[in-house]
Amino acid sequence: GENVEQHPSTLSVQEGDSAVIKCTYSDSASNYFPWYKQELGKGPQLIIDIRSNVGEKKDQRIAVTLNKTAKHFSLHITETQPEDSAVYFCAATAYGNNRLAFGKGNQVVVIP
Amino acid sequence: DARVTQTPRHKVTEMGQEVTMRCQPILGHNTVFWYRQTMMQGLELLAYFRNRAPLDDSGMPKDRFSAEMPDATLATLKIQPSEPRDSAVYFCASGLLGDSLTGELFFGEGSRLTVL
Repeated sequence: GENVEQHPSTLSVQEGDSAVIKCTYSDSASNYFPWYKQELGKGPQLIIDIRSNVGEKKDQRIAVTLNKTAKHFSLHITETQPEDSAVYFCAATAYGNNRLAFGKGNQVVVIP
Repeated sequence: DARVTQTPRHKVTEMGQEVTMRCQPILGHNTVFWYRQTMMQGLELLAYFRNRAPLDDSGMPKDRFSAEMPDATLATLKIQPSEPRDSAVYFCASGLLGDSLTGELFFGEGSRLTVL
């Protein structure tokens, strides 16, 4: 089955700087890659996703890039703000699969 | 504002007791998931339903866990008997999904279970 790994496990950034979280996946058939944000005491919430037919997708201060050859995809947060402090989960699945495999999460801390 | 509702939010129980967690998915969503979150394992899929039919419960310890959807507005996860290693946060999520799992999952706020 699909195995998703996230690096680094914890990331501290100064407010206003950029944060990048990278995920690697094992199944070359995977073609859907969402990112979820989990704030303290809450459930994960989808913030952006990308499908394999595109290499990059942006939504305001967040972007995701996908490298299918290397089997990794990254979340980019620009101009970080304190409310970006959270745990971020990446996931991967292939069309027709019945499992969405999540990584173990990255703790992002934005220092004011 | 549609959301997934889970009860209880917190539960402390003793080993051997039965625990039932409940979830009300978002109206109109056809797929409901149960996940377990721990520091060591992250988010693990326990079971999921499509149109109330169980599609995959391979992530669930069958001898003590059971998941059901008695109707479209209620999903339950039961643990009997509970053990300390079951201590975790249990999330329910729902989505309007096709045959694949590509699409947004809406998570509840979770049920934090502590088994002493």
